[in-house]
Amino acid sequence: SQQGEEDPQALSIQEGENATMNCSYKTSINNLQWYRQNSGRGLVHLILIRSNEREKHSGRLRVTLDTSKKSSSLLITASRAADTASYFCAPHTGGFKTIFGAGTRLFVKA
Amino acid sequence: DTEVTQTPKHLVMGMTNKKSLKCEQHMGHRAMYWYKQKAKKPPELMFVYSYEKLSINESVPSRFSPECPNSSLLNLHLHALQPEDSALYLCASSTPPRTSGETYTDTQYFGPGTRLTVL
Repeated sequence: SQQGEEDPQALSIQEGENATMNCSYKTSINNLQWYRQNSGRGLVHLILIRSNEREKHSGRLRVTLDTSKKSSSLLITASRAADTASYFCAPHTGGFKTIFGAGTRLFVKA
Repeated sequence: DTEVTQTPKHLVMGMTNKKSLKCEQHMGHRAMYWYKQKAKKPPELMFVYSYEKLSINESVPSRFSPECPNSSLLNLHLHALQPEDSALYLCASSTPPRTSGETYTDTQYFGPGTRLTVL
């Protein structure tokens, strides 16, 4: 597997606004996963998008994947204070290894 | 049951102590992982067990000794740690690839972690 690079490193928004974070990677993948981590806690899997998919939705989450640009984005709509967390992408070429990028730290102000 | 449990939640130990971290899951997953996470950094993979056999060791110092006694349990034995080993230790589990050449990558389920402080 390879490391994803998230952008921006930090994001601060008001409750109710949308939050967009991006992930870029270097080589071909078979899927890309997004995880959330609340402060000092374990990671929670949010969504997996396969290389032959372009967009996927789960509740207020929308993930896109552009394999030609080797990039993915995570959109959180109508953000809530409880969405405050670090978000990590994990591009996968297969196997066990997951290499997390530095993550995007999202802060949603009430 | 989609939960991975870790004990203890917090651990403080001296550099001469021997302690163990424990991880348990009952989802039938046959791949289990240890990660180390320093403050404001991403988790870093340490070890992977697949079908109770050590599959990956990311050049971790021997003062960390993993053990997988059965398909539900994963331990991390700690001995002669250094203060720089203080971190959040995360356990995870997943369904492993069915064959060695399979490119399938499954979702990992993480435990809440053990916050380790080495004095």
